[in-house]
Amino acid sequence: SQQGEEDPQALSIQEGENATMNCSYKTSINNLQWYRQNSGRGLVHLILIRSNEREKHSGRLRVTLDTSKKSSSLLITASRAADTASYFCAMANTGNQFYFGTGTSLTVIP
Amino acid sequence: GAVVSQHPSRVICKSGTSVKIECRSLDFQATTMFWYRQFPKQSLMLMATSNEGSKATYEQGVEKDKFLINHASLTLSTLTVTSAHPEDSSFYICSARESVSLSGNTIYFGEGSWLTVV
Repeated sequence: SQQGEEDPQALSIQEGENATMNCSYKTSINNLQWYRQNSGRGLVHLILIRSNEREKHSGRLRVTLDTSKKSSSLLITASRAADTASYFCAMANTGNQFYFGTGTSLTVIP
Repeated sequence: GAVVSQHPSRVICKSGTSVKIECRSLDFQATTMFWYRQFPKQSLMLMATSNEGSKATYEQGVEKDKFLINHASLTLSTLTVTSAHPEDSSFYICSARESVSLSGNTIYFGEGSWLTVV
């Protein structure tokens, strides 16, 4: 299976705290992307990091990528209750096929 | 921005019948579209890659005769679940790759379609 692994599977934090989720994968990638999904809804694209990049920022999001370890992390700073959702990493190959991670369910307690 | 539309968003069908889900790119052309399936509380699994004007490429373990994919135009791909069974009940999501993209890797996801087979 080309599916990635994410940990933790579930994360519960207080509003204002930072949330970190990790993703590991097995194959070579063209880029890695992070998505958010609210329960029963479609995907919302958060951030893309290319295979030759090591870190990227977007607002309260920070993504790192270590291709030697085949791993990535997503950090959400100063979390808000509205950040409550499931977060998926997605590894894109050169054909733009995505293989998703197992997901992290984040709960931010007001 | 670019939008990918799926229809229907929710569908209930009887066991044994077939149901068609459409994926449309609304303001761009997509030579390649992808279909994913997501069971409750699980991740998304790639089912197949749909190329305009040619046969779809299915992932290992996905029955091509059960999940028929047609990509007849640059803006429309359809997934037909044939002889549906309750275990086919799932959330189906498509994505489309913009044919001409300066960024090179522009993928847009649809909002998904809930299928319930009773």
